[in-house]
Amino acid sequence: DAGITQSPRHKVTETGTPVTLRCHQTENHRYMYWYRQDPGHGLRLIHYSYGVKDTDKGEVSDGYSVSRSKTEDFLLTLESATSSQTSVYFCAITGNEKLFFGSGTQLSVL
Amino acid sequence: SQQGEEDPQALSIQEGENATMNCSYKTSINNLQWYRQNSGRGLVHLILIRSNEREKHSGRLRVTLDTSKKSSSLLITASRAADTASYFCATDARTGNQFYFGTGTSLTVIP
Repeated sequence: DAGITQSPRHKVTETGTPVTLRCHQTENHRYMYWYRQDPGHGLRLIHYSYGVKDTDKGEVSDGYSVSRSKTEDFLLTLESATSSQTSVYFCAITGNEKLFFGSGTQLSVL
Repeated sequence: SQQGEEDPQALSIQEGENATMNCSYKTSINNLQWYRQNSGRGLVHLILIRSNEREKHSGRLRVTLDTSKKSSSLLITASRAADTASYFCATDARTGNQFYFGTGTSLTVIP
């Protein structure tokens, strides 16, 4: 799957705790993205990165932060998880104008 | 929100029939893409059509684009049970390398 690994695949956490999701790519692509997928909303862009230490907000960035200290890793942090952040999170990279996705992280905030 | 919408939300057809799904978007684009998602998996790219193209074919897929109406359609001909999946359109923002997805169409092909 295009050399993209997301971890963990599943996580259950409690409201108010910080959570970090990791995306690792082996393709050396410049652009990386975090999306969340919810029923009735499709995929919504949270944050994206266009290089090491270069990131920008997407449509639904409130409550999320990201970091990219190396080309291959893009981290998504929920600073204080809320139940509304229960979702499936997908990481993606671009190559030849197309997006390639990881397998997703199912996050449940109780 | 820059998110587009897809129509219908759900579609159920018999194997061998054609499936058509539509996408509307909000902003000017460089290109429009269609993706497929099998249950529990990530999205997979199907086809890309550029803003200066009106129609594109790939195997059993036919995509049209009407930039004046900000809409696109995906036609899957001679559907198979294996085509059962959710289908999403995605547009890129002219201002940068950002991609916005529609809400998706869930297609069920009955054997």
